[in-house]
Amino acid sequence: QVQLVQSGAEEKKPGDSVKVSCKASRNTFSTYDVNWVRQATGQGLEWMGWINPNSGYTGYAQKFQGRVTMTRDTSKTTIYMELSSLRSEDTAVYYCARGAGDVWGQGTTVTVAS
Amino acid sequence: QAVLTQPSSLSASPGASASLTCTFRSDIDLTTYNIYWYQQRPGSPPQYLLRYKSDSDNQQGSGVPSRFSGSKDASANAGILVISGLQSEDEADYYCLTSHNSAWVFGGGTKLTVL
Repeated sequence: QVQLVQSGAEEKKPGDSVKVSCKASRNTFSTYDVNWVRQATGQGLEWMGWINPNSGYTGYAQKFQGRVTMTRDTSKTTIYMELSSLRSEDTAVYYCARGAGDVWGQGTTVTVAS
Repeated sequence: QAVLTQPSSLSASPGASASLTCTFRSDIDLTTYNIYWYQQRPGSPPQYLLRYKSDSDNQQGSGVPSRFSGSKDASANAGILVISGLQSEDEADYYCLTSHNSAWVFGGGTKLTVL
C-alpha cells in the first residue's frame, strides 16, 4: 500500500524556519513528483510547489519563491519542505501529495506564534 | 480574476444528484486541460476522486464509486463534478484542480451539504 508519512506538528516563532518531512514507500518514491500543499484553518488548499525525487528538480509557486526549499534524501525515500522567515500567516496544515494527488500525507500542523 | 472559481456552497437532498462547477477564467480554454476533483472531510487530507479531460480521456480514483463522475461544459467554460444518489457521507468540501503555466491551481472549494 502506497503511503506518505509526514513528520509531527511544529511550533515556531516569527522569523524561524520549519522543515517538514514526507517519507514515501520505497517502491513508489522515484516514480512520481511530490507536491506540497497547505491549508490554513477554515481556508482552501494552496499549492506551494513540487519536487522530482529522481532528479531533485523543483518548481515553486511564485508566492513562495525565495522562502521555500524542497529537497530529497533518496537513501531515506524522504522528501523535505523547508519554509523560512515564518510569519503568523504561515500557520496551516502542510500536506505532501504524490503526483496529481492520488495519495496524500496525513498533514503536518505548523503553528507560528510569538 | 481567479483561474478557477467554485461556488462556496451547495445543498442537495439525499438520493438526488448534485452538480459542482469549476469555472475557468474567461481567457483560458478548458478543452485542453485536465481537471482533478478532490473530496475533503473535516480533519482529513483531501481524497482524490477523479481526473477528467474528455469523455475518452478520464480516470476514476481507486475505489471511488461510479456515482462520482466528471464532465465539462464548454459553453460555460466549466468543469463539472456530478454526484448521483447523494448520501449523507458525501457531505464534505470539494476542490477542483488544474495545472496552468506549470503550476497547480486549486479552486476555492465548494461545501456540499446533504439535507
